[in-house]
Order: sequence, then structure tokens, then C-alpha cells
Amino acid sequence: AQSVTQLDSQVPVFEEAPVELRCNYSSSVSVYLFWYVQYPNQGLQLLLKYLSGSTLVKGINGFEAEFNKSQTSFHLRKPSVHISDTAEYFCAVSDGGSQGNLIFGKGTKLSVKP
Amino acid sequence: GAVVSQHPSWVICKSGTSVKIECRSLDFQATTMFWYRQFPKQSLMLMATSNEGSKATYEQGVEKDKFLINHASLTLSTLTVTSAHPEDSSFYICSARVRSQSYTDTQYFGPGTRLTVL
Repeated sequence: AQSVTQLDSQVPVFEEAPVELRCNYSSSVSVYLFWYVQYPNQGLQLLLKYLSGSTLVKGINGFEAEFNKSQTSFHLRKPSVHISDTAEYFCAVSDGGSQGNLIFGKGTKLSVKP
Repeated sequence: GAVVSQHPSWVICKSGTSVKIECRSLDFQATTMFWYRQFPKQSLMLMATSNEGSKATYEQGVEKDKFLINHASLTLSTLTVTSAHPEDSSFYICSARVRSQSYTDTQYFGPGTRLTVL
């Protein structure tokens, strides 16, 4: 069975600083990996996804993530954050089965301070 | 882009009553909709997968008689929490997958419904 671990429940950073949100997964089969963002009182929005091909994936809002199979990681990065990036970030894995169900990590609360 | 709405956005009800939550895909047809439950400071937990015109598939530990799911059309799925109890209080989120796209494609999420049972 798949599982997702987000190592940090909260990450405070100052505006314009770089940030990395960590995500590790466990799976015995090929995986498809996702990062979602949830702004207060809103639904989840897809930031980026890895299905195959290049291990460096670029998403919206300047975010990128790198798939590392040997370390079973899919860390999310942004070189310079803005106040508006303050939100909850969820890493998810799909087994690509017939339903393509997503399994989510517990989330990381990113707080960007001025 | 694809938009999914949920109604109501929040609801307060008395213990023992039933509550219906609607999930609609506004500008696309969704053959599959998913229902999640999110506890405070916790992850989303998949409750059930709903395919249009067929019975929902419930995850292990989710009571199908308590959480009734109906997916009557390609744009509407409903979740009814029957005989609600305070422990059912939670944030319920739906998502919809676009018709005919790969199963690995994007799920579009609704804004969620906050249920509080007194």
C-alpha cells in the first residue's frame, strides 16, 4: 500500500526567502505524484504533478518539485516566496489504478512573514 | 478552468438529523467524483468514489448506510450524512475527474463543506 509522509507540519519563512517542503512516499509499484495547495476556506488546487519523464517538474506560481526515486522523495521548492504563498500544501500519490485514487500526506502549513 | 462547487459551504445541525451536501462540476462532465473527509490539521481521507449511474465504492471503515452517496448525473453528486452525531463534524470535500481523460489526470476539488453537529 502507498503512503505519504510530509516531514514538516509547519514551515515559517520570511518573504523572498527560498523554501523547500519535504515529501516522502512509500510504494511497491510505479507512482504518480502530486502537490496541491489549499488556501484558507478554499478547495485544493493542483500545483504540479509527476507522471513520467523528466524528474524536475515545474508548476504554477513559480513552484517546482523533483522526483527522486532512490530516496523516494518528491520535495517542493520555490526560490523566493511571497506573502500570498501562505497556505496549506499537500503531497499526494496515486497508484494509477483503475480509479486513480489519491493518498494524501498530512499537509504542511507554509507561513510567509514580511 | 474546471470548477467544482459545493453546497452548502457550512451547515450546523442537531444530532440525529440528516444533512445533504451537493457537489457540482460547473463547466465539465465528470464520470467520477470523490468524497473526502478532512479533520482539523489532518490530511484528506478518501471516503468513497462515485461513478455516474452506478453505486459508490466505499473505503474500508466508511459506513455506507451512514454516508449515502448518489451520483445521478455527470455534473452532480450528493453526500447525505444520515442520523448525524457530533463525531461526524468535519470538513467534507469533493473532487471531480474530467470525463474521458486518463485516470492519472487531474482531480478538481470543491471548496469544501464544514459540518458541525450539535
